[in-house]
Amino acid sequence: DTGVSQNPRHKITKRGQNVTFRCDPISEHNRLYWYRQTLGQGPEFLTYFQNEAQLEKSRLLSDRFSAERPKGSFSTLEIQRTEQGDSAMYLCASASRSNTEAFFGQGTRLTVV
Amino acid sequence: GENVEQHPSTLSVQEGDSAVIKCTYSDSASNYFPWYKQELGKGPQLIIDIRSNVGEKKDQRIAVTLNKTAKHFSLHITETQPEDSAVYFCAADSYGQNFVFGPGTRLSVLP
Repeated sequence: DTGVSQNPRHKITKRGQNVTFRCDPISEHNRLYWYRQTLGQGPEFLTYFQNEAQLEKSRLLSDRFSAERPKGSFSTLEIQRTEQGDSAMYLCASASRSNTEAFFGQGTRLTVV
Repeated sequence: GENVEQHPSTLSVQEGDSAVIKCTYSDSASNYFPWYKQELGKGPQLIIDIRSNVGEKKDQRIAVTLNKTAKHFSLHITETQPEDSAVYFCAADSYGQNFVFGPGTRLSVLP
């Protein structure tokens, strides 16, 4: 399968704990996006990487959120001191250098209890 | 910033009928408009897209039209089938850095 891969698929954590999600984009896709989606809503933009550079961040990305893409390949999204309001589906997408088309992974569903 | 509205929020059609979903956007700089289909528990799947230099694009049973002057674009699905039942999202983008999504349309195709 050469699509966007996200791990884990599901994560249940207690409030206050830290969680980290991983995204492996389609090979050679230099653009990578993180989105958050709550039930019944459209995906909301969190952040965008071009290669290893984080070029855009949403106001939704509070200080508790941090994303990295150290070698321009896979990316991680960390949430510190999780809150119940962080419960959502976290989606990763990637796009190639020459094409605007963005392809999404299956997402990581986070439940904060 | 960009704002994308989408209507209707729910749509029920009989199998074999056509379905139309409409979106409007606010930022005249937006020049790329993808449509995604999302099934329960899965990530959004790109089904068709259109760029601002094109007015219409068709791929088998689905088509998208764009009116840049009015800042609206629409998804048309003909000869609907039960497997078309899903949530559909439109999106708008100007620089490939930030896709803004509409709130979604839940399409139900009744057999």
